Amino acid sequence: EIVMTQSPATLSVSPGESTTLSCRASLSVDYNLAWYQQRPGQAPRLLIYDASTRATDIPARFSGSGSGTEFTLTIIGLQSEDFAVYYCQQYNSWPPGTFGQGTKVEIK
Amino acid sequence: QVQLQESGPRLVKPSETLSLTCSVSGGSVSSGFYYWTWIRQTGGKGLEWIGYIYDSNRVNYNSSLTSRLSILLDTSKNQFSLHLASVTAADTAVYYCAAVASGTNRIPTGIIDSWGQGTLVTVSS
Repeated sequence: EIVMTQSPATLSVSPGESTTLSCRASLSVDYNLAWYQQRPGQAPRLLIYDASTRATDIPARFSGSGSGTEFTLTIIGLQSEDFAVYYCQQYNSWPPGTFGQGTKVEIK
Repeated sequence: QVQLQESGPRLVKPSETLSLTCSVSGGSVSSGFYYWTWIRQTGGKGLEWIGYIYDSNRVNYNSSLTSRLSILLDTSKNQFSLHLASVTAADTAVYYCAAVASGTNRIPTGIIDSWGQGTLVTVSS
């Protein structure tokens, strides 16, 4: 099973600032990597797929990059609704399509 | 995108069967556009894929659950369901139904396009 490792576990960021989240795969997943946002009490929501393609209605301040085993999610100009937990998921080997443990972006 | 909504008991006794239903709107469960999937989330193990159903008779289950699990499709009600037998406290989780997009040649992409809101199921006597 491919293990996905996200870092850091928590990021403290001020509104309006930018931040970068990291995700590492234990084996190459090519570009088969998605990012999801989970706000408190809500289901995860697809943000990015194929490593860098924004999903429908996702604002341009979210961008993804990477391939193989190293991936990043960048959020430019954090807004209040962006404070949430972010998960990466590989689907190069699906099922099961393993998830990372998440990075919590909290208000500084 | 389709809309999904889970329903079912929130409290299940140990050794009994956990059953949840997912109602689908905005699309047909018979369309072939999605693999109808169950995922659960716990604080300890995070997000865990449970299994999927496609085309009524194509199923794939998490190997750690396969002996206790069945996922069914009800095309007449546009729903799919999860049945997990012999539950223990370790099965306490938020359960999500989800839609995984099918791509070229109806092969699943693995991309989770839509999620239900989730339902917390507690296993306790």
